[in-house]
Amino acid sequence: DARVTQTPRHKVTEMGQEVTMRCQPILGHNTVFWYRQTMMQGLELLAYFRNRAPLDDSGMPKDRFSAEMPDATLATLKIQPSEPRDSAVYFCASGLPPGGTDTQYFGPGTRLTVL
Amino acid sequence: AQKVTQAQTEISVVEKEDVTLDCVYETRDTTYYLFWYKQPPSGELVFLIRRNSFDEQNEISGRYSWNFQKSTSSFNFTITASQVVDSAVYFCALRANAGGTSYGKLTFGQGTILTVHP
Repeated sequence: DARVTQTPRHKVTEMGQEVTMRCQPILGHNTVFWYRQTMMQGLELLAYFRNRAPLDDSGMPKDRFSAEMPDATLATLKIQPSEPRDSAVYFCASGLPPGGTDTQYFGPGTRLTVL
Repeated sequence: AQKVTQAQTEISVVEKEDVTLDCVYETRDTTYYLFWYKQPPSGELVFLIRRNSFDEQNEISGRYSWNFQKSTSSFNFTITASQVVDSAVYFCALRANAGGTSYGKLTFGQGTILTVHP
């Protein structure tokens, strides 16, 4: 049963520290999405990639967030420096492009707490 | 712009009751996809169903059924004979088929918290 994996599952850090979250998409999926979930904003798209190239990162605070796909099996989301308002659950999702199954499958999320 | 509205913030039912979760969407695109996801207390988002805008047939999967009505821009989800394990947050989502940067992007509703009591 193929799944999206994310590490770490939980992260507690202090304001100003760098945070790196990792995602392994389902093998064969070439589209990767990063979402953030908060009580106030709900689920928001931060960025997404197709074939490792960033297609849209307009939802991401550019000054402190960065997203990359070093290879087809790894996507990373970095926050530097982290702030308390970044506390949220960060989800990675993967899928096939439109015309394929077109469904996004989500990982278990990384729960980030910034003190 | 795309928008998904789940007007019911919280629903509470007793086991074996039927429950319907409402979803209303807005889009200018003629081709789009609608989804339902379940988020149980463990936190992961579980895909339930995808519906193409050209396919208005209702769908049934076990105790779950979905009613898609383009005329009212609604995609409602019914759980028949609810069980405690159905307790979760349910999200309706919309993906427009526009080109450019919105291609592939999901717009989520705010979610409906369903609590099923024994």
